[in-house]
Amino acid sequence: AQSVTQPDIHITVSEGASLELRCNYSYGATPYLFWYVQSPGQGLQLLLKYFSGDTLVQGIKGFEAEFKRSQSSFNLRKPSVHWSDAAEYFCAVAQGFSGGYNKLIFGAGTRLAVHP
Amino acid sequence: NAGVTQTPKFQVLKTGQSMTLQCAQDMNHNSMYWYRQDPGMGLRLIYYSASEGTTDKGEVPNGYNVSRLNKREFSLRLESAAPSQTSVYFCASILPTGHTDTQYFGPGTRLTVL
Repeated sequence: AQSVTQPDIHITVSEGASLELRCNYSYGATPYLFWYVQSPGQGLQLLLKYFSGDTLVQGIKGFEAEFKRSQSSFNLRKPSVHWSDAAEYFCAVAQGFSGGYNKLIFGAGTRLAVHP
Repeated sequence: NAGVTQTPKFQVLKTGQSMTLQCAQDMNHNSMYWYRQDPGMGLRLIYYSASEGTTDKGEVPNGYNVSRLNKREFSLRLESAAPSQTSVYFCASILPTGHTDTQYFGPGTRLTVL
């Protein structure tokens, strides 16, 4: 069965520092992978997604993620964190089919706090 | 273009009461979803509707029913609410037509069952 693990429940970084949020997935075939961000009291917003091709994916707000098949990982990175990046981040995996995909499996989330 | 809308935003129920959460999307999407979000557990899929006229169980369907009223609307019903159903509920939708599709989420409904 598909699953997603986000090992870090809570991370605190200083503003301007670099950030890496970890995500490991379990899925037999090539997965579709996503990172979503949720600000307090808000719905989820897509940061970036990986379907195929280049394993380094660029997203919105200066985020990027790298797909590493050998490590079953899809870690999210940002070179310099801003205070507005404080939020909860979710990694998700989907099973693809010829017409797209139907279901997303989410990780438990990583809550990011940013110190000034 | 409002995207995905959900009503109500907040609701408090007593154990045993029933209610329906409403979701609508104006993006002409085929597939719609209901998730619940609980602390430390991420989002878990309750039910989904791949296309108008079809519904399927997700990971945690017990205690819920759904109706895909038309292409735009997908409702979630709690027939007899229980404290374990206290959660934040999100509706989402997607086209899908190909491998670049994205799920769009509504703002959520915060439900408390006393």
